[in-house]
Amino acid sequence: EAGVAQSPRYKIIEKRQSVAFWCNPISGHATLYWYQQILGQGPKLLIQFQNNGVVDDSQLPKDRFSAERLKGVDSTLKIQPAKLEDSAVYLCASSHGQGSEKLFFGSGTQLSVL
Amino acid sequence: KQEVTQIPAALSVPEGENLVLNCSFTDSAIYNLQWFRQDPGKGLTSLLLIQSSQREQTSGRLNASLDKSSGRSTLYIAASQPGDSATYLCAPYSNTGKLIFGQGTTLQVKP
Repeated sequence: EAGVAQSPRYKIIEKRQSVAFWCNPISGHATLYWYQQILGQGPKLLIQFQNNGVVDDSQLPKDRFSAERLKGVDSTLKIQPAKLEDSAVYLCASSHGQGSEKLFFGSGTQLSVL
Repeated sequence: KQEVTQIPAALSVPEGENLVLNCSFTDSAIYNLQWFRQDPGKGLTSLLLIQSSQREQTSGRLNASLDKSSGRSTLYIAASQPGDSATYLCAPYSNTGKLIFGQGTTLQVKP
């Protein structure tokens, strides 16, 4: 069974530029998550989708971050414009049902904002 | 608001030791608690999931316990090996529908 796929693996941009990350969850998984993990900290939930609807985006900085999950399958997370403090690893995860089930994570995208 | 604390932040042990990683959380209204492992530069791998009605869960050399009323969970690793070196994160899933992570315990097992 294929795991959660994320791309790109690494991205370096300058502040005020825009960037997009892509995630393809495990086939059949209804729930998709985007987490931000700053060095030395645990992951922080940015947004949770159930199929193509948003369940929780309370910690998403909506003035600069956006995410979509068209057709309830893959998802993109965008930052525009990026700030220095956005430097982090962006992790995508999926689960078969709601978050009370086991989560499967992708390898993440490491973003450096200079 | 759920807050999760993991102690110690870092741990270094010789190979073969048994060890305990601690996790405490402030809101005991949870559905379950998961323990994850994270290798450097990698994503997270789920190790164990304990339902709120369970007291413990075992997988191989790993045993996780949960005391929901006191807001505590422990991960016990038996006969540690260098391959166990990683960061271990606990994450309670609250009944408000959120999985909140601790900062993790970074474990180094020396040969």
